[in-house]
Amino acid sequence: GQNIDQPTEMTATEGAIVQINCTYQTSGFNGLFWYQQHAGEAPTFLSYNVLDGLEEKGRFSSFLSRSKGYSYLLLKELQMKDSASYLCAVFYNQGGKLIFGQGTELSVKP
Amino acid sequence: DSGVTQTPKHLITATGQRVTLRCSPRSGDLSVYWYQQSLDQGLQFLIQYYNGEERAKGNILERFSAQQFPDLHSELNLSSLELGDSALYFCASSVAGGGADTQYFGPGTRLTVL
Repeated sequence: GQNIDQPTEMTATEGAIVQINCTYQTSGFNGLFWYQQHAGEAPTFLSYNVLDGLEEKGRFSSFLSRSKGYSYLLLKELQMKDSASYLCAVFYNQGGKLIFGQGTELSVKP
Repeated sequence: DSGVTQTPKHLITATGQRVTLRCSPRSGDLSVYWYQQSLDQGLQFLIQYYNGEERAKGNILERFSAQQFPDLHSELNLSSLELGDSALYFCASSVAGGGADTQYFGPGTRLTVL
């Protein structure tokens, strides 16, 4: 299968830093995406990684290790509006489709 | 606003009925994707079209079908509806449809089957 694993929920404090991990099966890997989704709304694109290393985009950064089948999304200077579900998604060559993890529900507390 | 539009926003219908969901991709995008999101299943890929042709298929039920028209808008048809089909249905679009293509999601259609 093409299981993608991420924690179900996390809680963090406003102004802090949080890291959301994602592990996936490496066979056929062809890119990893992170999306943010507020309840009842559309997923919105955050980042894309296909090579090893860190991609930084403002308060959000995403890291990838292809050999380990591992990625994380780092959110800095957390704001209340960052409370949302964060979806890790992997594009696999087999079948040519984007497979989503179940999402990590992040709650930011004052 | 992603530039992807979906209609209707909400749909309430009865078991056994048939409905059609509509999606217009972002200007210039050739690929359209359909996803189903229910509380217990997460975001599930249904089907992809590229420039009018089916490109990839996920776990789409035989009761469901889709097509992409020459103007690139797409429709998802759901028939013989069951209670379990109640979900959010998202359409996404991308430029070409390869692995590196970012998919941009529409606002979704919330389907309730009573």
